[in-house]
Amino acid sequence: GAGVSQSPSNKVTEKGKDVELRCDPISGHTALYWYRQSLGQGLEFLIYFQGNSAPDKSGLPSDRFSAERTGGSVSTLTIQRTQQEDSAVYLCASSSPIGGEVADTQYFGPGTRLTVL
Amino acid sequence: GEDVEQSLFLSVREGDSSVINCTYTDSSSTYLYWYKQEPGAGLQLLTYIFSNMDMKQDQRLTVLLNKKDKHLSLRIADTQTGDSAIYFCAEKKRGYQKVTFGIGTKLQVIP
Repeated sequence: GAGVSQSPSNKVTEKGKDVELRCDPISGHTALYWYRQSLGQGLEFLIYFQGNSAPDKSGLPSDRFSAERTGGSVSTLTIQRTQQEDSAVYLCASSSPIGGEVADTQYFGPGTRLTVL
Repeated sequence: GEDVEQSLFLSVREGDSSVINCTYTDSSSTYLYWYKQEPGAGLQLLTYIFSNMDMKQDQRLTVLLNKKDKHLSLRIADTQTGDSAIYFCAEKKRGYQKVTFGIGTKLQVIP
């Protein structure tokens, strides 16, 4: 597809379960970001991947959160032992930080709405 | 405190102009962005401005940047009901890939 896609669009899980959220970036984009959007909290940066470099994990809120990016394309965000406070919309974005006037513009997916009961 | 601050809510009548304001803290910011988020969707880049510019106009959108006060504004002329959305201000700091977003301003357009 032409844009960033995320799956599932909605996920309801029970407290204590693990969840995996998937992001397919725009083909050719080397940078990939994960954000969390909680009600009234704006966008919270979680993690950033750039090519083959070590990811910037500085935004991950706890060691229950981890992310991988396989083959420089698809990324999976994993939340272990989910808590109710993890309920939020998880947004993925990709960008192509290679020159040009609109370098670093992030293109966002529609998000995954996670509800932890 | 937050690096990027915005008011939470703005209500305007259809046909009026909307002005959404944002303040940021880092004077080394290189790019400043405005994103729009419609209900149930991800964020979409509306416009951006380089930090060495004062103003940028794009059809109904005008971005004003006051570097001295670290103040950014987005003006939407002839606001339409389709402009109802959440608008995010964001900054990219020099030397960093990370973009810092504000909390978002919810614009309500009254017909």
